[in-house]
Amino acid sequence: EAGVVQSPRYKIIEKKQPVAFWCNPISGHNTLYWYRQNLGQGPELLIRYENEEAVDDSQLPKDRFSAERLKGVDSTLKIQPAELGDSAVYLCASSLVTENTEAFFGQGTRLTVV
Amino acid sequence: AQRVTQPEKLLSVFKGAPVELKCNYSYSGSPELFWYVQYSRQRLQLLLRHISRESIKGFTADLNKGETSFHLKKPFAQEEDSAMYYCALLALTDKLIFGTGTRLQVFP
Repeated sequence: EAGVVQSPRYKIIEKKQPVAFWCNPISGHNTLYWYRQNLGQGPELLIRYENEEAVDDSQLPKDRFSAERLKGVDSTLKIQPAELGDSAVYLCASSLVTENTEAFFGQGTRLTVV
Repeated sequence: AQRVTQPEKLLSVFKGAPVELKCNYSYSGSPELFWYVQYSRQRLQLLLRHISRESIKGFTADLNKGETSFHLKKPFAQEEDSAMYYCALLALTDKLIFGTGTRLQVFP
């Protein structure tokens, strides 16, 4: 199994441009997470989905960030317009909520805003 | 406040030496703690969780509620243990809160 698949792996854009990231979670996983990891830091949660419902988006900068998870499977995270400070690795993870919840991470998308 | 602290950014040891990666947490409830590892050019993956009380790749971690710590230990480090290690806390909202990570370098 491929695990959590993210694309693109790398993206370089100019500031003020829009950008979108895509995530395909592990089949059957109802919970999907988007994390942002700044250089030298641990991942920080942006948004968490249970199926197609965003149940925790308190850390998502809603003025420029948006996310969707149509049909409760794939998800996209968008930034419009991008700022220099958005340069980071964006990680997607998925899990099947049971007693032993384990989050499986994708390879991440490294965004560079110039 | 919910917080995970990893005080060391870098830990360097020689092969065969004992390793202890420190993790302290701040959480008002009953914590569920994890160690995640990221090897070079690989994705972040779960190493172990405190509720399993298991040893993975020779690593163990014991939850000490009195000291609010969850240090990761291995008696004899191997070169293949070189990686970034993240301690994480599962909050009530099913949100994983990560520390800043410790890079472990094991020299031959």
